[in-house]
Amino acid sequence: DVKVTQSSRYLVKRTGEKVFLECVQDMDHENMFWYRQDPGLGLRLIYFSYDVKMKEKGDIPEGYSVSREKKERFSLILESASTNQTSMYLCASSLGQGLGGYTFGSGTRLTVV
Amino acid sequence: GQNIDQPTEMTATEGAIVQINCTYQTSGFNGLFWYQQHAGEAPTFLSYNVLDGLEEKGRFSSFLSRSKGYSYLLLKELQMKDSASYLCAVSLNTGFQKLVFGTGTRLLVSP
Repeated sequence: DVKVTQSSRYLVKRTGEKVFLECVQDMDHENMFWYRQDPGLGLRLIYFSYDVKMKEKGDIPEGYSVSREKKERFSLILESASTNQTSMYLCASSLGQGLGGYTFGSGTRLTVV
Repeated sequence: GQNIDQPTEMTATEGAIVQINCTYQTSGFNGLFWYQQHAGEAPTFLSYNVLDGLEEKGRFSSFLSRSKGYSYLLLKELQMKDSASYLCAVSLNTGFQKLVFGTGTRLLVSP
């Protein structure tokens, strides 16, 4: 069974901390994505990557960075966490130009206090 | 810009049929997806339309009209477990797959 695994289901961090959210996929997918999901706003794209060491900004990249050193792993980094980054974070992957849509991870609910 | 509209919330009765509409205006179009998301869980794939017409998959069907920028998801013989959010997403023709999501429709199925 193909999988996208996010390292933590729930996280609580303090304002100003550096936070790492990890995502690993076992499907040999080229593309990987990080979204955040907030009530009334839906899924908003933060960053995506279409190849190792490649990254592109999404719609709301401010306050975030990413790393993709290996094909199967895509990390989201909050350089200095703030309370407005409290959200559900979803990682997804897809084939390069495939028609299969995204496979999502189970999500990380991050609370910044 | 990208704009995808769907109703915020709908209610229906067990055993009934419900239609969830989605309209979109996007710069580029490479297909439309529907996802189901139960509370606290990840979205899961339901259907994909790239050509006009109806795609049927068991109790779920999805329709697309590209000229009208319109899609709907039809759920038949509703069950309590169908209570969830339903996300409409447009795939942009960027050369690799990039999805833009609507805000989702929360469906509540009552006995």
